[in-house]
Amino acid sequence: AQTVTQSQPEMSVQEAETVTLSCTYDTSESDYYLFWYKQPPSRQMILVIRQEAYKQQNATENRFSVNFQKAAKSFSLKISDSQLGDAAMYFCAYKKMGGGADGLTFGKGTHLIIQP
Amino acid sequence: DSGVTQTPKHLITATGQRVTLRCSPRSGDLSVYWYQQSLDQGLQFLIQYYNGEERAKGNILERFSAQQFPDLHSELNLSSLELGDSALYFCASSVGMGETQYFGPGTRLLVL
Repeated sequence: AQTVTQSQPEMSVQEAETVTLSCTYDTSESDYYLFWYKQPPSRQMILVIRQEAYKQQNATENRFSVNFQKAAKSFSLKISDSQLGDAAMYFCAYKKMGGGADGLTFGKGTHLIIQP
Repeated sequence: DSGVTQTPKHLITATGQRVTLRCSPRSGDLSVYWYQQSLDQGLQFLIQYYNGEERAKGNILERFSAQQFPDLHSELNLSSLELGDSALYFCASSVGMGETQYFGPGTRLLVL
């Protein structure tokens, strides 16, 4: 079974600084997707970024980028120029690609605090 | 707004009761997923439907069941409720079975 581990229960960063959230995963599959979702206090789950395992290029979305290391099974999220609105729980998630259906496997989350 | 709707937003009920949670996927999405978020278990995948058929099961209890109707909306039925079933229940949808899942706002269930 796949597992996703987020080793940082909580992170704190000053506004406008850069922060990196860590995620590692375990799978025997070679093709899969990885995601970062954000859950602000409203509890809505919001997609931040997505990475396909077959792509060597790291995904970026504006101030959000990932460092995907397939051999190390590592998938970290970098947030540049942190803003107060970035304060939230961040969940790393895995989904196998192709074949049969399956849901997302989530890590336990990292609580990101933005210091003004 | 993800385009996925869930009703009701909040639900308070008693142990032993049965409730139904409803989800309407984004227009054009054929897959619906149900997830449970609780303090002790975190976010867990429960079940997936694709175009009316069950396609995958996760950690769904036998007391829970779901279905997807011809208009693609889905319902999650929770019966013989226990205190431990109190959680936030999310529905998510995607175009097919491998694409990005977009989440609804969730239904917060409190079992007293």
